[in-house]
Amino acid sequence: DIQMTQSPSSLPASVGDRVTITCRASQSINDYLNWYQQKPGKAPKLLIYAASSLLSGVPSRFSGSGSGTDFTLTISSLHPEDFATYYCQQSYTTPSFGPGTKVDIK
Amino acid sequence: QVQLVQSGAEVKKPGSSVKVSCKASGGTFSSYISSWVRQAPGQGLEWMGGITPILGPANYAQKFQGRVTITADESTSTVYLELSSLRSEDTAVYFCARGIAGRTSAIPYYFDYWGQGTLVTVSS
Repeated sequence: DIQMTQSPSSLPASVGDRVTITCRASQSINDYLNWYQQKPGKAPKLLIYAASSLLSGVPSRFSGSGSGTDFTLTISSLHPEDFATYYCQQSYTTPSFGPGTKVDIK
Repeated sequence: QVQLVQSGAEVKKPGSSVKVSCKASGGTFSSYISSWVRQAPGQGLEWMGGITPILGPANYAQKFQGRVTITADESTSTVYLELSSLRSEDTAVYFCARGIAGRTSAIPYYFDYWGQGTLVTVSS
């Protein structure tokens, strides 16, 4: 099974900050990497698929990059509604998720 | 607009089974991979398995093999998750999610629509 790790696990930030979250796979997954946002009590929402493709309707302040084993999710300027937990997920083999990064108020 | 609507919360005794449903509307049900993903309290997301109704049998995560059964009823666009031999560690919110077929027909490329979640509590 492919193991996914994320850093940091917690990220205090302020509105307007540029935020970067890192995800690493235990082996190469090419670009089979997706990013989700989850708010408390809600289902996850897909933001980015195939490492860098923005889902239609997702604000352009979200972007993804990377290939192989190392990936990043960047929020260029944090909005109040972006405080949430973010998960990466690989789809190269049986799906697995990273442990999550909680972006909270500094 | 695709919607996935799940059945309500369940409270179960250890050793028993639970069956959760997820009814799809607004899309083509049979050709997508309907998956189940669970989230224990305060924890991350865990894929349990998925089924593409037009292709037949479900695929399961190794961790749940022998204890989980995923089925689909194309006539009602509903997918079911049955988990047996419940233990306290199975207390979680169970989500259904629609997946686009990816690298193989059995592997969801990504999950674009999710149900609202069903809380299953296992307690004596």
